Amino acid sequence: EVQLVESGGGLVQPGGSLRLSCAASGFTFSSYWMTWVRQAPGKGLEWVANIRQDGSDKYYVDSVKGRFTISRDNAKNSLYLQMNSLRAEDTAAYYCARDFYGGSGYHGFDYWGQGTLVTVSS
Amino acid sequence: AIQMTQFPSSLSAFVGDRVTITCRASQGIRSDFAWYQQQPGKAPRLLIYGASSLQSGVPSRFSGSGSGTDFTLTISSLQPEDFATYYCLQDYNYPLTFGQGTKLEIK
Repeated sequence: EVQLVESGGGLVQPGGSLRLSCAASGFTFSSYWMTWVRQAPGKGLEWVANIRQDGSDKYYVDSVKGRFTISRDNAKNSLYLQMNSLRAEDTAAYYCARDFYGGSGYHGFDYWGQGTLVTVSS
Repeated sequence: AIQMTQFPSSLSAFVGDRVTITCRASQGIRSDFAWYQQQPGKAPRLLIYGASSLQSGVPSRFSGSGSGTDFTLTISSLQPEDFATYYCLQDYNYPLTFGQGTKLEIK
C-alpha cells in the first residue's frame, strides 16, 4: 500500500525556519517525481515545488524561490522541504504527493499525504 | 504564470443531477490538465489527468473533456459522496497552477 506521511510542521515565528519531511512507502520512491502542495486555511490549493527522481531538476512557485528548498533522499525514501525566512502568508497545510505518469505521457498527483500544518505567527 | 479560472465558484445540486464544472486557461495548455476532488479535512484526490483520462479507481460517472484553453468536468449522476470542492490544475509549464476551486453543495 502506497503511503506518504508528512511531519515537521508546527508554530514558527516570522523569519524562522522549518524542515518538513515526507516518508514514503509501498512503492519505488526513486522512480517518481515528487511534489509539495500547500493550502492556506480556508483557501484553495497552491503548488509549491517538485523534484525529479534523481534530484537533478527542481522547480518552485515564484513566491518561495530563494526561501524554500526541495530535496530528497532516495536511500531513505524521503522527501524534504526546507523552509527559511518564513512569512505569515506561508501559513498552510503542506501536502506531499507522488507524481504519476500515465501511459499517454500525461500525469497527475495520484497519492497524497495527510498534510502537516505550518503556522507562521509571532 | 498561466491563470486557471474555474466556474462556477459554487454550485448547488440534487443527488442524481448531472453537473458540469468548467476551467479556462489563460493560454493554450494542450491537454496538460487534471481535475482533483477534495473532501473537507482530507487530502485532494486525483480524478482526471491528461484532460480526459480517468484515474484508476474513480467511478465512471466522472468524465473530463477539453483541450487548449477550455476544459470541463462532468459528473453524470451526482452521488452523496460527490459533494466536495473540485480543483483544476495545469501542468503544461511552471509554475503549475490550480484553479480557485468549485464547491459543490447539496440542494
